[in-house]
Amino acid sequence: DQQVKQNSPSLSVQEGRISILNCDYTNSMFDYFLWYKKYPAEGPTFLISISSIKDKNEDGRFTVFLNKSAKHLSLHIVPSQPGDSAVYFCAAPDQQGAQKLVFGQGTRLTINP
Amino acid sequence: NAGVTQTPKFQVLKTGQSMTLQCAQDMNHEYMSWYRQDPGMGLRLIHYSVGAGITDQGEVPNGYNVSRSTTEDFPLRLLSAAPSQTSVYFCASSYSTGEAFFGQGTRLTVV
Repeated sequence: DQQVKQNSPSLSVQEGRISILNCDYTNSMFDYFLWYKKYPAEGPTFLISISSIKDKNEDGRFTVFLNKSAKHLSLHIVPSQPGDSAVYFCAAPDQQGAQKLVFGQGTRLTINP
Repeated sequence: NAGVTQTPKFQVLKTGQSMTLQCAQDMNHEYMSWYRQDPGMGLRLIHYSVGAGITDQGEVPNGYNVSRSTTEDFPLRLLSAAPSQTSVYFCASSYSTGEAFFGQGTRLTVV
């Protein structure tokens, strides 16, 4: 049972345009969400997070939106840059333990020049 | 500041062999975890620890053992390697709140 789902395995975007990565979850007990970015042969690195008491969190070019009623979150990158090409994972801490992360399958983002 | 260090980076094992994947962190984090990443499946939790002397199972613990004798170290032991354990393994550490920090990973192939 996949509690966190990223249904798009890949996404290709033109440099300078907006990239939108989507994530759905099934567990209504999740109250905190994180996005990680992963380059090949490296570990995931934290990008941005959002608490369920908010519906938006912004950090520079990155904004995460949370729609609790739809159990959906999205990561917007504006403007997209070639260095943003990576695999993006959304994750949520398991309700039983704050740092037991449940991950989505990941979306590979490719930014084309 | 090294963060989370994993060794080795690559390893090839024969079926039935045992080995230990090392993980060390220098951030004085309470929590440490092991994940495996397989194609199309994201990262899945193997074992985790909330402090020295305390460990517990994650989603996919079978075939793996862990121990946490110090705050800094959290080794993962494969008791008898199987081809199904071919994967990329990531160690992570964190405080009780906030984000987790990951090591660079160990790519393991079992033949």
